[in-house]
Amino acid sequence: AQSVTQLGSHVSVSEGALVLLRCNYSSSVPPYLFWYVQYPNQGLQLLLKYTSAATLVKGINGFEAEFKKSETSFHLTKPSAHMSDAAEYFCAVSESTDKLIFGTGTRLQVFP
Amino acid sequence: KAGVTQTPRYLIKTRGQQVTLSCSPISGHRSVSWYQQTPGQGLQFLFEYFSETQRNKGNFPGRFSGRQFSNSRSEMNVSTLELGDSALYLCASSIGTAGVGTQYFGPGTRLTVL
Repeated sequence: AQSVTQLGSHVSVSEGALVLLRCNYSSSVPPYLFWYVQYPNQGLQLLLKYTSAATLVKGINGFEAEFKKSETSFHLTKPSAHMSDAAEYFCAVSESTDKLIFGTGTRLQVFP
Repeated sequence: KAGVTQTPRYLIKTRGQQVTLSCSPISGHRSVSWYQQTPGQGLQFLFEYFSETQRNKGNFPGRFSGRQFSNSRSEMNVSTLELGDSALYLCASSIGTAGVGTQYFGPGTRLTVL
């Protein structure tokens, strides 16, 4: 069965610093991988998704993620954090037509 | 194109009551999935409906049920509410089945059980 592990429930960075949110997955078949962001009192918004095309996936708001099969990882990065990036980020995995399995989330804080 | 809408946005109920939540997917989307989000358990999959048929179900008791109508709108029902049912209930729609098609989420219904 597939699963997702997000290392670090809280990550704090300074404005302008690199953002790195970690996600490792477990899947018996080539997975679909997703990153979603949730702002307070809102639903989830898709940042980006990997579907076996390019291993480096670019998303919205300057975020990108790299699929590394050998490390079973799909870490989310952004070169320069902005105050508006403060939110909770969820990594998710699915196998073929199966349901989405979410990680426990990482809350990103951005300090001025 | 309008996004996923959920009604009501906030709901307060007491233990033992039942509740029905509604979700209208993006036009043209045939799949609707429901998730429960709590601080302790995170995001947990409830069920998915595709073309009026439940195609997947999470690990929740039978008090949680749902259905989908011919226009793809979906309702979720929780009977005999318990305090632990207090959560944000999120609905997501996609063109194809969940897991393949990108899921678009609604703003959620915040349910408080007193």
